[in-house]
Amino acid sequence: AQKITQTQPGMFVQEKEAVTLDCTYDTSDQSYGLFWYKQPSSGEMIFLIYQGSYDEQNATEGRYSLNFQKARKSANLVISASQLGDSAMYFCAMGTNFGNEKLTFGTGTRLTIIP
Amino acid sequence: DTGVSQNPRHKITKRGQNVTFRCDPISEHNRLYWYRQTLGQGPEFLTYFQNEAQLEKSRLLSDRFSAERPKGSFSTLEIQRTEQGDSAMYLCASSDSTILKDGYTFGSGTRLTVV
Repeated sequence: AQKITQTQPGMFVQEKEAVTLDCTYDTSDQSYGLFWYKQPSSGEMIFLIYQGSYDEQNATEGRYSLNFQKARKSANLVISASQLGDSAMYFCAMGTNFGNEKLTFGTGTRLTIIP
Repeated sequence: DTGVSQNPRHKITKRGQNVTFRCDPISEHNRLYWYRQTLGQGPEFLTYFQNEAQLEKSRLLSDRFSAERPKGSFSTLEIQRTEQGDSAMYLCASSDSTILKDGYTFGSGTRLTVV
């Protein structure tokens, strides 16, 4: 069975600062994928970034980067230069077969950016 | 492409009634997923299709739940004899199983309230 743990229920960050959202995972599979999604108050889930278990380099997408530490089973999301529009729920998720099947989600972190 | 479309956006029903939700995925995507999200939680997997074949069903999908994807296009999720515990956001997502790093595209969800 797979498990995702997000230990930060809520975070407050000053605008323009960088923020790290924690995610640890547990799986016995060797081939898996890790994802981060953003969920604004409107409800839709917005895909941010993906990391495959055999990817040697950490994934980056614009202001988002994924700090992947395989031995520690952690996949933290780093948002650089935070903006007011980054205020939302953030979910970490993983899927077997590099994420080619169902996803298991964590409980999320509510990020609030302070002007 | 207009993304993943879900209808209705909101549904209020009396306990014991049947409800049906519809999801129209991105046309090029061969995979379609249903998730359920309750307040304060991450989405939980219900079922997924590859084209018209239903490949996996969660234990959460009791006998009262059924999903179809005729002709591998849109999908419907039906809940029979609704219970108050069925109140949740029902999310649909689609993906191209060959392009994992693009993630899943979620719809805006259908919020079900059972009174």
